[in-house]
Amino acid sequence: AQSVAQPEDQVNVAEGNPLTVKCTYSVSGNPYLFWYVQYPNRGLQFLLKYITGDNLVKGSYGFEAEFNKSQTSFHLKKPSALVSDSALYFCAVDWGNTGKLIFGQGTTLQVKP
Amino acid sequence: DVKVTQSSRYLVKRTGEKVFLECVQDMDHENMFWYRQDPGLGLRLIYFSYDVKMKEKGDIPEGYSVSREKKERFSLILESASTNQTSMYLCASRLRTGLPYNEQFFGPGTRLTVL
Repeated sequence: AQSVAQPEDQVNVAEGNPLTVKCTYSVSGNPYLFWYVQYPNRGLQFLLKYITGDNLVKGSYGFEAEFNKSQTSFHLKKPSALVSDSALYFCAVDWGNTGKLIFGQGTTLQVKP
Repeated sequence: DVKVTQSSRYLVKRTGEKVFLECVQDMDHENMFWYRQDPGLGLRLIYFSYDVKMKEKGDIPEGYSVSREKKERFSLILESASTNQTSMYLCASRLRTGLPYNEQFFGPGTRLTVL
């Protein structure tokens, strides 16, 4: 069955350090992969997507993610974290372009000054 | 900018009540979705609609129904609310299926408490 896993419930980083939020997936065929961010008491905001082409995709607010087909991973990265990046991050996958997103359980990112 | 609005931010209902959650988008999107969000479970798809009058079951449709009489509006209905339906409900829309791929845009959510 198709699934998405975010192995860390919480990631803590110091401001200015690089951050990584991990995501792995189990989907047959070619997946469409997404990262969304949720600030407190808000809906989800789209960050970036991988559809096809270059494995490194760049998105909003300086975030990027690397699609690794052999490891079935799509980790979210940022070279230098900001306190304002503190939020809940969701990885999601759409298989077959149905629009039916399967979400990971979410990772809380805490960036400390 | 795409705007997806939901009728209430917070809602408190009693067990057995019929509950309507409304979602409206203003960008002529064809596809609309209803999710529920629970801690540790991420978002799970309840129902979705590819276009007006169309509806498809998602992963957890039990206890819910939907209505899409107009393109801009997608309603989620809890026929007889139960305490295990206490959750955050998120509506989303996207332009259409097909390529280029169109991402989903989310509303602010409705936090429903069933007592």
